[in-house]
Amino acid sequence: GAVVSQHPSWVICKSGTSVKIECRSLDFQATTMFWYRQFPKQSLMLMATSNEGSKATYEQGVEKDKFLINHASLTLSTLTVTSAHPEDSSFYICSARDAGTSGGASTGELFFGEGSRLTVL
Amino acid sequence: AQSVTQLDSHVSVSEGTPVLLRCNYSSSYSPSLFWYVQHPNKGLQLLLKYTSAATLVKGINGFEAEFKKSETSFHLTKPSAHMSDAAEYFCVVSFNFGNEKLTFGTGTRLTIIP
Repeated sequence: GAVVSQHPSWVICKSGTSVKIECRSLDFQATTMFWYRQFPKQSLMLMATSNEGSKATYEQGVEKDKFLINHASLTLSTLTVTSAHPEDSSFYICSARDAGTSGGASTGELFFGEGSRLTVL
Repeated sequence: AQSVTQLDSHVSVSEGTPVLLRCNYSSSYSPSLFWYVQHPNKGLQLLLKYTSAATLVKGINGFEAEFKKSETSFHLTKPSAHMSDAAEYFCVVSFNFGNEKLTFGTGTRLTIIP
């Protein structure tokens, strides 16, 4: 099946630094990707919807200047946590909707990455 | 507005016995419903989905779920639990008509007793 890869899977950083997390669709094109945040033993909360070639749509309460999202290509979206603080420590998960491969049909299915655990010291 | 409620935060069953994870939903429109599984420090894997076709949906690893509109439920079942089923399970709802936003339940942690 389709694969979504997130990198890095683990990252530890100092408070005040910025961290970039990548989300790649490996064998399909994704015009839309979603970023979620998951606190320990809690559910996933949608942070933003990332659309290729346009600005991301953020959910209410999510600071767009804090969590910068770029979706520059059909296979890559990035989430940058700027000036990270300990309260930003969390598990970040992306998902990508299958828009099809070049010349191929779209399945419309949604695939999730394996997540990136951010720890801010 | 759409919402989903997972009635049990933690379920423990013995290996080889049936599994029942409960989920109720609220949606103003015809919902699409999903069950996802998450193993520790891993992403989510789709178990099964309901999108207005057959009300009894069969998924991977022997899981199935039945959509009951009258009860607004989409409970997940498996006849015989296996140790590898121990994980977190999320019930998820989405609108039809192109709404791509998923609303997640709070999750149910399934523990399998040897």
